[in-house]
Amino acid sequence: DGGITQSPKYLFRKEGQNVTLSCEQNLNHDAMYWYRQDPGQGLRLIYYSQIVNDFQKGDIAEGYSVSREKKESFPLTVTSAQKNPTAFYLCASIDQITRTYRPGNTIYFGEGSWLTVV
Amino acid sequence: KNQVEQSPQSLIILEGKNCTLQCNYTVSPFSNLRWYKQDTGRGPVSLTIMTFSENTKSNGRYTATLDADTKQSSLHITASQLSDSASYICVVSAEYGNKLVFGAGTILRVKS
Repeated sequence: DGGITQSPKYLFRKEGQNVTLSCEQNLNHDAMYWYRQDPGQGLRLIYYSQIVNDFQKGDIAEGYSVSREKKESFPLTVTSAQKNPTAFYLCASIDQITRTYRPGNTIYFGEGSWLTVV
Repeated sequence: KNQVEQSPQSLIILEGKNCTLQCNYTVSPFSNLRWYKQDTGRGPVSLTIMTFSENTKSNGRYTATLDADTKQSSLHITASQLSDSASYICVVSAEYGNKLVFGAGTILRVKS
């Protein structure tokens, strides 16, 4: 079955460490997204990518980095520069960002990853 | 700036009662609007998706409305159940946008 997979589900980071969250999809989707969610808050966009080898900063990109070397993979690295990384991280994908009007496509979400600083 | 604002921020209702959640947006040009239900620590689950030509869409006890002129949407939940307790998120995408714009969500708690 097609879907989007995030791993790990739970991750602990020590101060000063970089950690990488994995996001893989087998849906042949062009666009992939990373969001951060703090307790009781909404989703905030970190980075997104519409095509392989290209990605754009979202609203809260500082302290994060991404790569899109393959269509199916969009890993997120939380660097030591991110001072408050404890949060829930969601990856999403959609088959194409439409440039002409047509009914919207389905957004697929991963199950999320909890990152805690210890 | 593209924005999606949801209200109320949180809501507590008794089981069996109805409730309505609001979503106002300034995303332009508008392509579609989606409502999602998110349980704590899980990925959002799609409830409805509407384009500008659709005024209302139902999914079981969930009914979404859209007024593209006033840029407002609502999600009405009928005969609430304890399992409806979750965060409800409004997501708007722009026709030429590269980003999906998420609202902050409304946290609904249904009490017995």
